Amino acid sequence: AQSVTQPDIHITVSEGASLELRCNYSYGATPYLFWYVQSPGQGLQLLLKYFSGDTLVQGIKGFEAEFKRSQSSFNLRKPSVHWSDAAEYFCAVGPSPPNFGNEKLTFGTGTRLTIIP
Amino acid sequence: ETGVTQTPRHLVMGMTNKKSLKCEQHLGHNAMYWYKQSAKKPLELMFVYNFKEQTENNSVPSRFSPECPNSSHLFLHLHTLQPEDSALYLCASSQGTLLAAERYEQYFGPGTRLTVT
Repeated sequence: AQSVTQPDIHITVSEGASLELRCNYSYGATPYLFWYVQSPGQGLQLLLKYFSGDTLVQGIKGFEAEFKRSQSSFNLRKPSVHWSDAAEYFCAVGPSPPNFGNEKLTFGTGTRLTIIP
Repeated sequence: ETGVTQTPRHLVMGMTNKKSLKCEQHLGHNAMYWYKQSAKKPLELMFVYNFKEQTENNSVPSRFSPECPNSSHLFLHLHTLQPEDSALYLCASSQGTLLAAERYEQYFGPGTRLTVT
């Protein structure tokens, strides 16, 4: 069964500083990987996704993530955070072919990001 | 209205009440989902509908009863709930095609905050 671990429950970063949120997954093959963001009082919004190819993927709002097979990781990064980035961030994994028919996303428990001025 | 909407946004109900949550998507998608989000726990998939047919019931208690009258609307009927059912209930939709990329790209509503007293 697939699983996702986000080891950091809460991270505080100064505005303008760089950010890295960690995500580790457990899956028998190369899964499909996702990062979602949830602002207070809102649903989840897809930031970026990895299916195959270039292991560095670009997303919305200036975020990027790098897939590292050897480390089973898919860490999210941003070079300079803005106060509006304060939110909860969720990593998710889904089964890749030939495991179609069970397209359930498995989410991590989330990392809450606080931005200080 | 655009995207995925959910009503009501907040609901307080007693354990003997019957209520319903409503979700509507304006994206032309044909797959819809109900998730439960509890504090400190990963997002839990409850139900999946593809082209109005239920394709997933993730061992959800029968006090939760979904209904999908068409591809744009999804309901969650609630009765005789327990206090541990208090949570944020999120609806999502995606394109229900054979392409994994489209199936996994889920768009979420803002959720209904449910409190069971």
